[in-house]
Parts: sequence; structure tokens; C-alpha cells
Amino acid sequence: SYVLAQPPSVSVAPGQTARITCGGDNIENKRVHWYLQKPGQAPVVVVHGDSDRPSGIPDRFSGSNSGNTATLTISRVEAGDEADYYCQVWDSSTDPGQVIFGGGTKVTVL
Amino acid sequence: EVQLLESGGGFVQPGGSLRLSCVASGFSFSDYAMTWVRQAPGKGLQWVSTLRGRTPTTYSAESVKGRFTISRDNSKNTLYLQMNSLRVEDTAVYFCAKPYYGGKPSANWYFDLWGRGTLVSVSS
Repeated sequence: SYVLAQPPSVSVAPGQTARITCGGDNIENKRVHWYLQKPGQAPVVVVHGDSDRPSGIPDRFSGSNSGNTATLTISRVEAGDEADYYCQVWDSSTDPGQVIFGGGTKVTVL
Repeated sequence: EVQLLESGGGFVQPGGSLRLSCVASGFSFSDYAMTWVRQAPGKGLQWVSTLRGRTPTTYSAESVKGRFTISRDNSKNTLYLQMNSLRVEDTAVYFCAKPYYGGKPSANWYFDLWGRGTLVSVSS
């Protein structure tokens, strides 16, 4: 089945830029969605459809998708951005299809 | 208020059964294919199962096929997950999730509303 690969952890200083990758075979042909999850809470979508932001999500969060890698970029990182981040796609290559999550990336703000 | 509220979690021995419920409010429940997602302690998110809104079309992870059954009662705005033959590795917080788009799952499918989750612990 389709696999999404994320780095286990990313560390970034406040004010800097964090980039979280999500690798998958020809992932550019899929629409990638990103969630953040803080301890003890449910996930919250921060980017959907590769690069769209839901209302209420700061424009510091942006997404891109090309080739075999999708990327979530967090600009001007703040302490409150520390969380686990997951990418997600709908895989229609299997019948009848399935939701796939990446393994998650823990973002630590130094 | 738009929300999802799960219940039914608890402690069970391997081989046992549990039924989870998710009560929805604040949106047209029957328009959406509702989903269960789980998260083992300290681990990532894992999709479990999805059931479309008005047809009996289901989608399930291989790891739960034949053991878990997803169902819904649109008159009660409630989603269920019947879990049989439970294993230690089924231990997780189980979340109920609503997709942003109605209809059948597609490439644009993502979840804009999640419940707080209910904990299932399987141990001898």
C-alpha cells in the first residue's frame, strides 16, 4: 500500500523557518493535507489540498508538493508551534481506497 | 455547536469486544462519510474505517478487517465502531472525524472536525 515518510523530528529556533517533508511515490499526483496535534488534543488541519489554509490558520503556515515530496513550511516559528505534524492523503490506488497518514514529525522550538 | 463526542472506551482483555459511539451535532450528519482514526500511546495517527453517509459503502484498514465493523444511525446522528477479537495492539485513543467535503472520499478528502477521542485499553 501507499506509504508516506516523514522525519521523526525537526528542531528550529524561534523566528526561524521549519520545513517538514512528506515523501511518497509520485506524491505530486495526490492532494496532501497537513495536521498539527498538541499533546492530549485532537489533530487540527493547517494546510489542505497541498497549499490551502483553512480560515483561522496563520499565513506563516504554507505547503507545497512536487515530485516525490510534499513540504509544510512554518515561517517565523513561535513557541506555540511546537507540536506533532502529520501529512495525509487519500490513496485511490487500492480498491475501494484508503486514508493514509504519515508517521508524524515532532517539531521542537529551541 | 458543531462537535463530535465519542464514548464507549474502556479496559478489555484480549479477545474481548467493545462498541464505540460518536454523537455528532451542529451539521447535517447524513451528508458526510464519517471516519474512525486511532492513535496508540506515543504513536502516530492510523486510519481505521470510514462509512459513507447514505449508502452502506465502507472502507477499512487491513489490520481491522473481519474484526471491526463500522455502522451509523443517521436518525440519531451517531457513528459506531463494533470492535471484536480485540488485540493488545488495538490499544489506542479512538477519534471520530468528519471530512470537510460531503459525498464519497476523494483526493481532496481531509478532516475538519475531530472529537476528543475515547481510550481503548486491551490487556490481560
